[in-house]
Amino acid sequence: GAGVSQSPSNKVTEKGKDVELRCDPISGHTALYWYRQRLGQGLEFLIYFQGNSAPDKSGLPSDRFSAERTGESVSTLTIQRTQQEDSAVYLCASSLGERPWFSGELFFGEGSRLTVL
Amino acid sequence: GQNIDQPTEMTATEGAIVQINCTYQTSGFNGLFWYQQHAGEAPTFLSYNVLDGLEEKGRFSSFLSRSKGYSYLLLKELQMKDSASYLCAVHNNAGNMLTFGGGTRLMVKP
Repeated sequence: GAGVSQSPSNKVTEKGKDVELRCDPISGHTALYWYRQRLGQGLEFLIYFQGNSAPDKSGLPSDRFSAERTGESVSTLTIQRTQQEDSAVYLCASSLGERPWFSGELFFGEGSRLTVL
Repeated sequence: GQNIDQPTEMTATEGAIVQINCTYQTSGFNGLFWYQQHAGEAPTFLSYNVLDGLEEKGRFSSFLSRSKGYSYLLLKELQMKDSASYLCAVHNNAGNMLTFGGGTRLMVKP
């Protein structure tokens, strides 16, 4: 597609429920990132996928968080047993890959705003 | 680990010049980035510095001093549409992600 697409744009859930957020990167982008942004704060790195390499999961805050990506296509971020502290905007970004990385251009989606009641 | 500091908020007047500072501490520095984020929207790439000096791009310029762990974003001829958050981000060679600062919320007043 023309840009990074994320769904849902807004999600309200009850504490303890599981949620799944979806990211559709720009076609041909091999690198995909998930970030979390709490209200009024900066971006917190969660996980990074590069092609078929093992993902960098170093930013996932707990084992309730997991993400998958099949090849160089869609990624899903799953949060199990949601807590109120999980309320944030979850941003997905993609880029061309490791070598063009140093041009610095991550293309971000509009984000999925999660509210846990 | 990494530590990135930037002011939380700044206010400036339309037509003026504003400088947004960013200081960082990291090992294996591999580049510093500035992104702009309007309220409720996705961040968009503004600039990238990996060598010391000033990079100019229209009304926006970005400066880097690696020895001082310091960068600034300079916005000239401010316009109302420049009201946004400006995010400083650092890349180091320990991983393939950008580490972001908390962002500086800039308000441009008439």
